[in-house]
Amino acid sequence: KNEVEQSPQNLTAQEGEFITINCSYSVGISALHWLQQHPGGGIVSLFMLSSGKKKHGRLIATINIQEKHSSLHITASHPRDSAVYICVSGGSQGNLIFGKGTKLSVKP
Amino acid sequence: EPEVTQTPSHQVTQMGQEVILRCVPISNHLYFYWYRQILGQKVEFLVSFYNNEISEKSEIFDDQFSVERPDGSNFTLKIRSTKLEDSAMYFCATRGPIMGGNSPLHFGNGTRLTVT
Repeated sequence: KNEVEQSPQNLTAQEGEFITINCSYSVGISALHWLQQHPGGGIVSLFMLSSGKKKHGRLIATINIQEKHSSLHITASHPRDSAVYICVSGGSQGNLIFGKGTKLSVKP
Repeated sequence: EPEVTQTPSHQVTQMGQEVILRCVPISNHLYFYWYRQILGQKVEFLVSFYNNEISEKSEIFDDQFSVERPDGSNFTLKIRSTKLEDSAMYFCATRGPIMGGNSPLHFGNGTRLTVT
């Protein structure tokens, strides 16, 4: 059974800090997704990656397939980055396993 | 950019009533999902749907739940006899058209279901 573990569960940072959120999964996957859920509840897909690294603005996502580990980095964090970040593993059959999420709060 | 549309945005119903939550996927997507999130808790998988049939379902998805795509566009989640504990935000997600796991997810804005 694939388990997805995220750390930390909660993270408070000062504006401008570099942030890292980690995700580990237990079974080989075809893709890993990072999602962002804002306090209003809507969910937005940030990244889908199956190898290496992707960058979008101040967000960077990396994955190490051998170690079954992915990280989401936020550079120069801002209060508007405050949200829950969710790691989701995707199997080859299309099934998805959600992590519990990391609640990020960036203080001005 | 194409969007996943969910209706209604908020549904209030009495315990024991049937509800139908609707989702209009992005037109060329192949995989469809329902998730729910009870207030303050993590997002939970309910069911995945591919090629007009359920491909996987969770323990939450019991006989009270059903899904269908009756007209090739709307993807619906029906709860036959609602319970208080069904109160949650229900999210529809879709992806495709690439088969397998390597395609981005697109989420609807959710339907907040309140059972009284």
